[in-house]
Amino acid sequence: DVKVTQSSRYLVKRTGEKVFLECVQDMDHENMFWYRQDPGLGLRLIYFSYDVKMKEKGDIPEGYSVSREKKERFSLILESASTNQTSMYLCASSFLGQAIYGYTFGSGTRLTVV
Amino acid sequence: KNQVEQSPQSLIILEGKNCTLQCNYTVSPFSNLRWYKQDTGRGPVSLTIMTFSENTKSNGRYTATLDADTKQSSLHITASQLSDSASYICVVSDLNAGNMLTFGGGTRLMVKP
Repeated sequence: DVKVTQSSRYLVKRTGEKVFLECVQDMDHENMFWYRQDPGLGLRLIYFSYDVKMKEKGDIPEGYSVSREKKERFSLILESASTNQTSMYLCASSFLGQAIYGYTFGSGTRLTVV
Repeated sequence: KNQVEQSPQSLIILEGKNCTLQCNYTVSPFSNLRWYKQDTGRGPVSLTIMTFSENTKSNGRYTATLDADTKQSSLHITASQLSDSASYICVVSDLNAGNMLTFGGGTRLMVKP
């Protein structure tokens, strides 16, 4: 069974902490995405990557950075966590240029910043 | 700008009843439309995908319809079960967007016994 695995289901961090959210896929997908999901706002794209060491900003990249050192792993980094980054974070992946087949999503990480 | 709007935002129905969720989009040129089910605290899981030429597609008790002329889709759930309680997200793909999808805000469905 193909999978996108996010390392944590729930995280609680303090304001100002550096936070790492990890995502691993086993489908040999080129594309990987990080979204955040908030009530009433739907899914918003933070960053995506279409190849190792490549990254592109999404709609709301401020306050975030990403790292893609290996094809299967895409990390989202909150350089200095703030309370407005409390959210559900979803990782997704797909084959390059294959949006027609949709994305495979991870189970999500619910991050609370206190 | 491409947009996908879903209605209603939330819905409560009794177990065994039917319901219909709506999705309107402005994505152009249209490639395909997908309905996802997202259980609380989980990532979205695909239910159906529809291309331009498809009007109706079923997956068990879920039936999706697409009217590409009016840019509307619906998801009909028949004989609802408690396990249908979830958010349902409409997602549209743009032919020119390559890898990007446009997400609707979702409809939160609660099925009560």
